[in-house]
Amino acid sequence: DQQVKQNSPSLSVQEGRISILNCDYTNSMFDYFLWYKKYPAEGPTFLISISSIKDKNEDGRFTVFLNKSAKHLSLHIVPSQPGDSAVYFCAASYNNAGNMLTFGGGTRLMVKP
Amino acid sequence: GAVVSQHPSWVICKSGTSVKIECRSLDFQATTMFWYRQFPKQSLMLMATSNEGSKATYEQGVEKDKFLINHASLTLSTLTVTSAHPEDSSFYICSATNRRDRGQGEQFFGPGTRLTVL
Repeated sequence: DQQVKQNSPSLSVQEGRISILNCDYTNSMFDYFLWYKKYPAEGPTFLISISSIKDKNEDGRFTVFLNKSAKHLSLHIVPSQPGDSAVYFCAASYNNAGNMLTFGGGTRLMVKP
Repeated sequence: GAVVSQHPSWVICKSGTSVKIECRSLDFQATTMFWYRQFPKQSLMLMATSNEGSKATYEQGVEKDKFLINHASLTLSTLTVTSAHPEDSSFYICSATNRRDRGQGEQFFGPGTRLTVL
């Protein structure tokens, strides 16, 4: 039973345009959500997070939106750059104390020059 | 800051041997360390949660006697794959939570260790 789902395994975007990566979750107990970026043969690197008390968090080119009623979050990258090409994982936890994360299946983003 | 290292980065071993993977937090003390496993083109699956000085908590389906975890200090956790078999071949990744930044929520990941069992 996948509690965190990323339904798009891949996404291709032109450089300079917006990339939108989506994530859905089923467990209403999740209250903290994170996005990680991962290159092949490397560990994930933290990008941005959002608490369930917010609906938006922005950090530079990255913005995460949370729709609690729909149990849906999205990561917007604008403008997209070729260096953004990687696999993006969303993750959820029950609190923000660094406890267990449940990861989605990942979305491979390809940004074309 | 918040750098996590893993050693070795890649190991090839014969079936039946045991392999130890180290995870270190280089510039911070880790409240908790986590061990994940990733199969090709799949997500990260949490194997176990390790707190310094106490026994690891294993996820359902993960054999405790197969994957031995030791968390001897606030900066070091080790995963030993005992009697490794080809099906144990995978990419193993550790992560750590920064004790000082408790409340930030994010885990800091190591670069991963690729295990190939022949």
